[in-house]
Amino acid sequence: GENVEQHPSTLSVQEGDSAVIKCTYSDSASNYFPWYKQELGKRPQLIIDIRSNVGEKKDQRIAVTLNKTAKHFSLHITETQPEDSAVYFCAVMPGGGADGLTFGKGTHLIIQP
Amino acid sequence: DAGVIQSPRHEVTEMGQEVTLRCKPISGHNSLFWYRQTMMRGLELLIYFNNNVPIDDSGMPEDRFSAKMPNASFSTLKIQPSEPRDSAVYFCASTLTGGETQYFGPGTRLLVL
Repeated sequence: GENVEQHPSTLSVQEGDSAVIKCTYSDSASNYFPWYKQELGKRPQLIIDIRSNVGEKKDQRIAVTLNKTAKHFSLHITETQPEDSAVYFCAVMPGGGADGLTFGKGTHLIIQP
Repeated sequence: DAGVIQSPRHEVTEMGQEVTLRCKPISGHNSLFWYRQTMMRGLELLIYFNNNVPIDDSGMPEDRFSAKMPNASFSTLKIQPSEPRDSAVYFCASTLTGGETQYFGPGTRLLVL
């Protein structure tokens, strides 16, 4: 089955700086790569996603890049703010659609004031 | 739109008891997923349904776990008998068949004593 590695497990950055979280996956047939944000005690919420036919996608301060050849994708958050503090999960969906997601272990992002 | 609904939100039970978790997907969504979240193992897919039919239950940990989806608007996850190691947050998510974005419910926090 799919194996997803996520790094780092904890990331502390100064408010206003950028944060980058990286994930690698094993199944080259995987075609959908979402990122979820989870605040303490809350549900995971989708913040951005990318499909295998796209190399980069941006939504305001958040961007995701995908390198299918190397089988890795990254989340970039610019101009970080205190409300960005949370656990971020990458996930991978195998080809075929409507399949379950395989998640990375999560990154605890801490924004230092 | 009420989103994905789960009940109960919290459950405390004793080892050996039967536990039933419930989920109502978003109206019109015909794929439903059950995930389990623990500190040690992260977010894991347990089982998912398409049009009320179980498609992949390879993530169900053992025979003590069972899931049903008798109709398009209701699913249950049952643990019988429950054990302390089943303590976790159980999330239900739904999406349109062929779609990719999964919407998570608020989760059920289960504690087995």
